[in-house]
Amino acid sequence: QKEVEQNSGPLSVPEGAIASLNCTYSDRGSQSFFWYRQYSGKSPELIMSIYSNGDKEDGRFTAQLNKASQYVSLLIRDSQPSDSATYLCAVSRHAGGTSYGKLTFGQGTILTVHP
Amino acid sequence: DGGITQSPKYLFRKEGQNVTLSCEQNLNHDAMYWYRQDPGQGLRLIYYSQIVNDFQKGDIAEGYSVSREKKESFPLTVTSAQKNPTAFYLCASSTGYQPQHFGDGTRLSIL
Repeated sequence: QKEVEQNSGPLSVPEGAIASLNCTYSDRGSQSFFWYRQYSGKSPELIMSIYSNGDKEDGRFTAQLNKASQYVSLLIRDSQPSDSATYLCAVSRHAGGTSYGKLTFGQGTILTVHP
Repeated sequence: DGGITQSPKYLFRKEGQNVTLSCEQNLNHDAMYWYRQDPGQGLRLIYYSQIVNDFQKGDIAEGYSVSREKKESFPLTVTSAQKNPTAFYLCASSTGYQPQHFGDGTRLSIL
């Protein structure tokens, strides 16, 4: 079993729809969770971080965390073609996003938003 | 502007050659990291450093070496012992309770 696993893609949604990206992790000691967006040929860009169970909203993005189920998701509302990218889930054992936490990444999910 | 600078953007390695990738940050971050990304894959940690003159191996350190002589610099050497070095190399830094942020990356290929 991979330490961090993301739903297999690619995922294709129409413009204006909700895109749902999922991630499961195997280490129950994980405490910090991140979503990065990576455009083709570019480096990852942090879009969301979440540390406690529940939902966290930032604009069109909502991260959801369920530690009991070892599951974290990212919802993108009103999807736009500019959201087309690879989305990487990353997990750390360290609390509060401490700087010295090693990140373990999933393999990424490719999202395509078509007009 | 503050940020993380990686150079060069593209690098080619000959057989038996060591090459060094540069990573410099002017964010005054304590921790720095090196990752490797293969096509269609996530990132894998090579080495990381929490303070000057100290660093730890990540998950795939074999065939790589690093140094941390200055807070702002964390160069990565890909040695000839690394038999499959072709990849996208990413440097990141962070401090305090902030998540990691990445440089623009270096693409390494074999000649």
